[in-house]
Amino acid sequence: AQSVTQLGSHVSVSEGALVLLRCNYSSSVPPYLFWYVQYPNQGLQLLLKYTSAATLVKGINGFEAEFKKSETSFHLTKPSAHMSDAAEYFCAVSDGGATNKLIFGTGTLLAVQP
Amino acid sequence: DGGITQSPKYLFRKEGQNVTLSCEQNLNHDAMYWYRQDPGQGLRLIYYSQIVNDFQKGDIAEGYSVSREKKESFPLTVTSAQKNPTAFYLCASADRQGHGYTFGSGTRLTVV
Repeated sequence: AQSVTQLGSHVSVSEGALVLLRCNYSSSVPPYLFWYVQYPNQGLQLLLKYTSAATLVKGINGFEAEFKKSETSFHLTKPSAHMSDAAEYFCAVSDGGATNKLIFGTGTLLAVQP
Repeated sequence: DGGITQSPKYLFRKEGQNVTLSCEQNLNHDAMYWYRQDPGQGLRLIYYSQIVNDFQKGDIAEGYSVSREKKESFPLTVTSAQKNPTAFYLCASADRQGHGYTFGSGTRLTVV
């Protein structure tokens, strides 16, 4: 069975500081991994995805994530936080199989302080 | 532009009423999903459908029903059997290539 753990339900950073949101996964098959962002009262928007190509994945809004098989991790980073990055972020895993069903983490709420 | 549309954005339900949330996509996606989101609990899967005229229960299906008569549409009915329906409901669709989900903008349901 697949699962995702997001460490830290709330993360606060200063504007201009590094953003690091942690995600660890469990999967018995090579996983497909995703990061989504959700702004208040909106749906989820895909930030980036890993589907067994390059291990460093670049996404929208300056975010990137690195797939580390040995650590079963897929942490999300951004070098310099902007006020507009304040949102909730979800990590998700899929087996990429016939169902393509995503398993979501419980989310990390990112606050950006001026 | 292709996308997924949920309506209404806000919905109020009286005790004992059934209400139906609409979800329509024009992405030609085979699979569609319904999630419930409560504060601090992430996304919980209610129902999903991989193909027309077929659907499966998710983790919290009790008190909900769905239909998939058309590829484009996957409406969710919140029945009176759902005792705590106040939540944010998200619909999503996906293709078979593992590209991830496309989400609608959500429906916020409140019991009054």
